[in-house]
Amino acid sequence: AQSVTQPDIHITVSEGASLELRCNYSYGATPYLFWYVQSPGQGLQLLLKYFSGDTLVQGIKGFEAEFKRSQSSFNLRKPSVHWSDAAEYFCAVGPISGGYNKLIFGAGTRLAVHP
Amino acid sequence: KAGVTQTPRYLIKTRGQQVTLSCSPISGHRSVSWYQQTPGQGLQFLFEYFSETQRNKGNFPGRFSGRQFSNSRSEMNVSTLELGDSALYLCASGLATSGVIQETQYFGPGTRLLVL
Repeated sequence: AQSVTQPDIHITVSEGASLELRCNYSYGATPYLFWYVQSPGQGLQLLLKYFSGDTLVQGIKGFEAEFKRSQSSFNLRKPSVHWSDAAEYFCAVGPISGGYNKLIFGAGTRLAVHP
Repeated sequence: KAGVTQTPRYLIKTRGQQVTLSCSPISGHRSVSWYQQTPGQGLQFLFEYFSETQRNKGNFPGRFSGRQFSNSRSEMNVSTLELGDSALYLCASGLATSGVIQETQYFGPGTRLLVL
């Protein structure tokens, strides 16, 4: 079945530590890939996206993600976390066969940052 | 450039009522999509509109409907509200480039609906 998995529901890191949020997908063909962030009571803000080309993509706020076709993964990374990064992070895929602009989201990973 | 705007931001209704939510896309964007976010089901795609036509639809009952106007603004309607319809409803807009199936979507702040 087609799915998007974010294995970690909740992650806590110390400020200044590195971060990696995992995302795996299960689709027949490589879909379009996105990471969004949601602060409490807010909508979704796009961090970065992968459509094709270089498998390491840079985003806003110092985030990057690496697409690994062999592992069907699109993990989000940040070398040094800031307290303001505390939020919920969603991986999303846009299946090529899913029709226009349909995004399938993972369940999200809630990030807490300790001072 | 202004972002996606949604009105109202908060809404309280009772079971059996109907509700209409509004979304104004980013200027120049012609595609509007709607999503429902609940703690139990997460983020789920409702439907997508372009040029006043629904191009894509998720797995929601017919009580959920939408429309798009000639200025690309969109509304979604939920009739005969149920307790389970309590959710954050998010609208997203995209450019709708000709021939492109999947584009980057930019989300609004959402409308939080509470059904009592």
